[in-house]
Amino acid sequence: NAGVTQTPKFRILKIGQSMTLQCTQDMNHNYMYWYRQDPGMGLKLIYYSVGAGITDKGEVPNGYNVSRSTTEDFPLRLELAAPSQTSVYFCASSSSTSGGAYNEQFFGPGTRLTVL
Amino acid sequence: EDKVVQSPLSLVVHEGDTVTLNCSYEVTNFRSLLWYKQEKKAPTFLFMLTSSGIEKKSGRLSSILDKKELFSILNITATQTGDSAVYLCAARLALDTGRRALTFGSGTRLQVQP
Repeated sequence: NAGVTQTPKFRILKIGQSMTLQCTQDMNHNYMYWYRQDPGMGLKLIYYSVGAGITDKGEVPNGYNVSRSTTEDFPLRLELAAPSQTSVYFCASSSSTSGGAYNEQFFGPGTRLTVL
Repeated sequence: EDKVVQSPLSLVVHEGDTVTLNCSYEVTNFRSLLWYKQEKKAPTFLFMLTSSGIEKKSGRLSSILDKKELFSILNITATQTGDSAVYLCAARLALDTGRRALTFGSGTRLQVQP
């Protein structure tokens, strides 16, 4: 299993440009998440999905959009990039078990985005 | 507002020392607390704690949760330079069926000097 993969690893955008951060997992996890991590800070949840076709906002969704057309893929879209979106973006996935007791999240390697 | 606070923010120790990292939380619908180690890139999972008073151990690392006082500690004994990392704790919420998001603290940066 490759686990959670993200592309690209690095990207520099100009203000106002758009881009899509790709995330794929091959563990058949139903839950997927997008986080951003600013320097010296913890992770903040942007969007999450509990299954194909279902997405919901997290803590900091403004300026982002997501879709979940398949179980494996959860792309994050930035429509009009702003300097405040300079950050490291992590995608994660987890599975639910009966009773919902265990929910370790597996993280991708991250995408470092700079908006100038 | 849900909040997870870690202390200290940073810590410098020498190899062989024992360290204790703290995590307190104020969240609604708390389910469990998770600890992650983050070196250069993605966080890697260490522990998940759901019940109070039950210590979890993995080698030199151990952790315990106190649900009455709303905090957890992560202990590292006989520290090594390879333990240098940012340690993140996160509270897992159960807001309604299917919502399993984590609220993260800002992390404790541990530096272990030879």
